[in-house]
Amino acid sequence: QQQVKQSPQSLIVQKGGISIINCAYENTAFDYFPWYQQFPGKGPALLIAIRPDVSEKKEGRFTISFNKSAKQFSLHIMDSQPGDSATYFCAASSQGGKLIFGQGTELSVKP
Amino acid sequence: DSGVTQTPKHLITATGQRVTLRCSPRSGDLSVYWYQQSLDQGLQFLIQYYNGEERAKGNILERFSAQQFPDLHSELNLSSLELGDSALYFCASSPSVGGGTGELFFGEGSRLTVL
Repeated sequence: QQQVKQSPQSLIVQKGGISIINCAYENTAFDYFPWYQQFPGKGPALLIAIRPDVSEKKEGRFTISFNKSAKQFSLHIMDSQPGDSATYFCAASSQGGKLIFGQGTELSVKP
Repeated sequence: DSGVTQTPKHLITATGQRVTLRCSPRSGDLSVYWYQQSLDQGLQFLIQYYNGEERAKGNILERFSAQQFPDLHSELNLSSLELGDSALYFCASSPSVGGGTGELFFGEGSRLTVL
């Protein structure tokens, strides 16, 4: 129940395309859903986060879509750029507790 | 630069040995978290300390232990090392007691290779 399942494991997108990464969870007590971005040789860094009282949050080219009834949330990267090539992790937590991370998605944006 | 410092960056050791990984959190952050990142397991939460006290425990092996000192730096001790312990170990910090309400700031990790 503590797991967060992320797909796909890897994703190749052409420059200018839309990258979509999906996550699913079981624990209905989760109330905070961030996405982290990790470049090679670096630690993960917060990209964008959402709480379950909204269905969508947009920051620039990055959008989180949240479906509470389906217990799913996704990251959309619009107009994907080669600089977006990185590993993306979804995560979830309950009542300010520890973050549980998904398995990660390695995104490659081809020029 | 996240402000979280981890040392050493790379460590190569043999099976059965013991190593210590060190983390200095961002200035003012009271919470320190340790995560293990391996290719097949993703980011696994190990343990959290808040202001010197253990706050939460995850999938941390009994051979592993951690502590947070009065100056808030933290150490992760790994003993009786096995090949499967080879991984990237991340430290993260946050100002609050629960990292789930805000941003975790990650260091660049310590890459442990057990031969």
